[in-house]
Amino acid sequence: NAGVTQTPKFRILKIGQSMTLQCTQDMNHNYMYWYRQDPGMGLKLIYYSVGAGITDKGEVPNGYNVSRSTTEDFPLRLELAAPSQTSVYFCASRQVGGRNTIYFGEGSWLTVV
Amino acid sequence: AQSVSQHNHHVILSEAASLELGCNYSYGGTVNLFWYVQYPGQHLQLLLKYFSGDPLVKGIKGFEAEFIKSKFSFNLRKPSVQWSDTAEYFCAVIGGSGNTGKLIFGQGTTLQVKP
Repeated sequence: NAGVTQTPKFRILKIGQSMTLQCTQDMNHNYMYWYRQDPGMGLKLIYYSVGAGITDKGEVPNGYNVSRSTTEDFPLRLELAAPSQTSVYFCASRQVGGRNTIYFGEGSWLTVV
Repeated sequence: AQSVSQHNHHVILSEAASLELGCNYSYGGTVNLFWYVQYPGQHLQLLLKYFSGDPLVKGIKGFEAEFIKSKFSFNLRKPSVQWSDTAEYFCAVIGGSGNTGKLIFGQGTTLQVKP
């Protein structure tokens, strides 16, 4: 059982480049989330999805885009990378219903230079 | 807007000292509450969670938390910390009115335990 899988683990981007962080879960979870973690700031919600075809903005959506064409996949797109997007990104998922455990991926370290 | 506030940003304790980390959330209605721990270089691990029932929740590694609805608080406690508890601790909340499923974290508290 793989859980939540994020790729890549590490990436260095140049300013203005674009890239996609991949997130896949094999637990048939409805809810999926993308967070960024910066020192002293905790985890900030970028985007989330409550099911295939449905996405919504979180606390810090600017500079990012997401899609949810399938239940399993929730990619995060950076269109024009900026140094302010240097961060650690975490994907998470959970099943609908209040009592269900949230599963986190292992994180993706992104540096924009 | 939904928000979660952790009052202590950096806490330094000696081993065997008692710990209490504050967490307040800003919205009413039904909430689900969580405390996570992140050890250096690792990803988040669930310490404990509250959904309903007894407001005193016991988690792993001797941690507990108390949900006080009237104060919108969910403080984390441990009677006697160990050096291995050195980590960052995050409070998180799902819910509020409508229960959109949005999971919001506090800014975290760094705990340093001196041996």
